[in-house]
Amino acid sequence: AQSVAQPEDQVNVAEGNPLTVKCTYSVSGNPYLFWYVQYPNRGLQFLLKYITGDNLVKGSYGFEAEFNKSQTSFHLKKPSALVSDSALYFCAVRDGGGSARQLTFGSGTQLTVLP
Amino acid sequence: DGGITQSPKYLFRKEGQNVTLSCEQNLNHDAMYWYRQDPGQGLRLIYYSQIVNDFQKGDIAEGYSVSREKKESFPLTVTSAQKNPTAFYLCASSILPLNTEAFFGQGTRLTVV
Repeated sequence: AQSVAQPEDQVNVAEGNPLTVKCTYSVSGNPYLFWYVQYPNRGLQFLLKYITGDNLVKGSYGFEAEFNKSQTSFHLKKPSALVSDSALYFCAVRDGGGSARQLTFGSGTQLTVLP
Repeated sequence: DGGITQSPKYLFRKEGQNVTLSCEQNLNHDAMYWYRQDPGQGLRLIYYSQIVNDFQKGDIAEGYSVSREKKESFPLTVTSAQKNPTAFYLCASSILPLNTEAFFGQGTRLTVV
């Protein structure tokens, strides 16, 4: 069975500092990895994905993520955090050899950027 | 504008009643999904559909039912058999290749009163 772990329920960072939101995964095949952001009482917005190729993936709003196969990780990063980045972030994984249903989400990390 | 529309945004249900949540997409996506979101638990898959007139149970299908009579529409009915229906419900859609991202609606918050 595939799974996603987001080990931190809450991450606090000062505005202007770099931020990292951690994600590790487990799949039997090749992973397709996704990051989404959710603002209060809203749906999820897609940020970026890793399918294949370069391990560093760049996405929306200045976010990027680094795929590390040996550590089975896909951490979300941003060089300089903004107060408006405060939101709930979800990591998700699909098994490349699986079916359409197998999009598994982590439990989410609440990011708070302090002014 | 293309996208996914969920309605209503807020829904109140009395115990013992069935309610139906609407999900419509004009993205021409083949696959559609329903997720339930509870605090601290992430998203859990209720049902999904890859083609019209076909759908599959997800991880927590008990107490829910769906239909897919049109490609654009994937309504979810929360039945009285669902013992703890209060939650935030999210509908999503995607094209079928597995390396594509899913697009989400704005959600429906269901509260049992």
